[in-house]
Amino acid sequence: GEDVEQSLFLSVREGDSSVINCTYTDSSSTYLYWYKQEPGAGLQLLTYIFSNMDMKQDQRLTVLLNKKDKHLSLRIADTQTGDSAIYFCAESRTGGSYIPTFGRGTSLIVHP
Amino acid sequence: GAVVSQHPSRVICKSGTSVKIECRSLDFQATTMFWYRQFPKQSLMLMATSNEGSKATYEQGVEKDKFLINHASLTLSTLTVTSAHPEDSSFYICSASDPGGTSEAFFGQGTRLTVV
Repeated sequence: GEDVEQSLFLSVREGDSSVINCTYTDSSSTYLYWYKQEPGAGLQLLTYIFSNMDMKQDQRLTVLLNKKDKHLSLRIADTQTGDSAIYFCAESRTGGSYIPTFGRGTSLIVHP
Repeated sequence: GAVVSQHPSRVICKSGTSVKIECRSLDFQATTMFWYRQFPKQSLMLMATSNEGSKATYEQGVEKDKFLINHASLTLSTLTVTSAHPEDSSFYICSASDPGGTSEAFFGQGTRLTVV
């Protein structure tokens, strides 16, 4: 299987919460990231969490990490149409150059 | 935060020609930059690691003679797609991390290459 797995699609109604899930296999992962990619654009780092944390909140974004199950989630509160994009989960380890391993991305579609 | 600029954002070229894509770190020096390729509805696949002043390290399956990487300065890496073919059409993204900052990769805005 892939090192980082995500569901490919998520559809929500505007104003609802979105939860995007990710699982990873490398138990030595130190950093876990969520990136956002809008159509035709590069990646924008949304937030990241260290592996010794289990939760991080940043405005409308909440990241939950279950290290035992190697499960990461991103919750977007009050989802807006502007949140429609592809969200990539990524993991990396410390030391040397930073080379994240990405999931395939979850396409979030927000309906008005 | 640190910024990585990639140019051009879109390019269309004829089959058989070569195309150069530039990746610049604007406010930090990057001894290492990375080049990714993204297929439609796919994740980013690491193609190669660009090392300033030395040869690039290519991932398995990536042809180094086709995808030439040059990292001549601490702020610039280039990817040249040589003798491009339609199957090379893709979205190419570079990234760099600031060795003096956090372990965070900053990505360029990507280059959409279309070979006709």
